[in-house]
Amino acid sequence: EVQLVESGGGLVQPGRSLRLSCTASGFTFGDYAMSWFRQAPGKGLEWVSFIRRKAYGGTTEYAASVKGRFTISRDDSKSIAYLQMNSLKTEDTGVYYCAKDYGDCWGQGTLVTVSS
Amino acid sequence: DVVMTQSPLSLPVTLGQPASISCRSSQSLVYSDGNTYLNWFQQRPGQSPRRLIYKVSKRDSGVPDRFSGSGSGTEFTLKISRVEAEDVGIYYCMQGTYWLTFGQGTRLEIK
Repeated sequence: EVQLVESGGGLVQPGRSLRLSCTASGFTFGDYAMSWFRQAPGKGLEWVSFIRRKAYGGTTEYAASVKGRFTISRDDSKSIAYLQMNSLKTEDTGVYYCAKDYGDCWGQGTLVTVSS
Repeated sequence: DVVMTQSPLSLPVTLGQPASISCRSSQSLVYSDGNTYLNWFQQRPGQSPRRLIYKVSKRDSGVPDRFSGSGSGTEFTLKISRVEAEDVGIYYCMQGTYWLTFGQGTRLEIK
């Protein structure tokens, strides 16, 4: 059974940083892309970033709203995907979900609150 | 950027009746490999999203066959043949041809 567990969320001041982790199990992690999505309180879903599998170069893509501030990475030996979030803004507040591939299975999410 | 537009945004349905949600993209979602990367997700209250349909019409494992997807190019539809109480939630279309973009969501409720 595929399982994705996000961690690392919390309350952070604007301008500070946070690193989210997504620990995966139940599938061969290195064979899939990994994605991050988010959902602001009471709002819809928004794609944040994805990282392709090593066989496709392990390249990364970002939504315009986070490009230059967020960095996605992966450690295939540990089956973990990361999202490093720098220069956080209040509008980055929301539940962050990691997902296998481009959304075929999602974790339970971790809440990030950016507030002074 | 590809814009995804769903309608209606609110959908009251009587139990046992059919329901239909439309999703329109601002440009064709046919990729260079010939596939159309249009997905449908369900988000029940208080839960994470769950993918129901991928590549327009392919049902994910465990998804009841009362859910079906159809469409091509820029026009897509999710249909529920007979709505059940567990279908309450928000439904999103998402295109995966040009990065990833979601529709605004359609809230399905029981009348």
